[in-house]
Amino acid sequence: GAVVSQHPSWVICKSGTSVKIECRSLDFQATTMFWYRQFPKQSLMLMATSNEGSKATYEQGVEKDKFLINHASLTLSTLTVTSAHPEDSSFYICSVTTPATSLGADTQYFGPGTRLTVL
Amino acid sequence: ILNVEQSPQSLHVQEGDSTNFTCSFPSSNFYALHWYRWETAKSPEALFVMTLNGDEKKKGRISATLNTKEGYSYLYIKGSQPEDSATYLCAFQGGGADGLTFGKGTHLIIQP
Repeated sequence: GAVVSQHPSWVICKSGTSVKIECRSLDFQATTMFWYRQFPKQSLMLMATSNEGSKATYEQGVEKDKFLINHASLTLSTLTVTSAHPEDSSFYICSVTTPATSLGADTQYFGPGTRLTVL
Repeated sequence: ILNVEQSPQSLHVQEGDSTNFTCSFPSSNFYALHWYRWETAKSPEALFVMTLNGDEKKKGRISATLNTKEGYSYLYIKGSQPEDSATYLCAFQGGGADGLTFGKGTHLIIQP
């Protein structure tokens, strides 16, 4: 399957600053990547679909001006949390969708995630 | 809002015993059901992608079944080993290009 990396693995920032999280597909050219987040004791929640060369599609309730997504190449998508506040503290994780693999239908492969803490 | 439920929330199993847990999901607008194994500080590992009603898939000691008509899937682990300790996630997918809707997971601890 696809190998996905994320950077940084954790970040602490002050309220009001912006933070950029990178998601890289190391061995697969991904036209579509997904961004999820997970709050404590909650499930992973889809935030947005990142499409290479076009605007991202955001889920209901996710502010597109706050969570800027750029998918400028087939191997890199970035999520920028602008003017971060403590309530943005969460675990952010990305995935790459690949065509049908040995597992069967299209499979999503995940990065290891980024823990964001906003003070 | 799609509802994906997993039970139990956590499970302690003796090494060598077999175990199973459940994922329930909407029975309409179904495209696929995904199972992942997630160990702390690692990427979730894709175990199975299931699309057809009645599907049964196997990977070593782990297997899964799918019932799309009633909206549930079971994951079975035979002869549990300490390395099976992890959180097992299921995720519903309503369309081929869609993101996933996850359950909260089943946290499995295998006791030696």
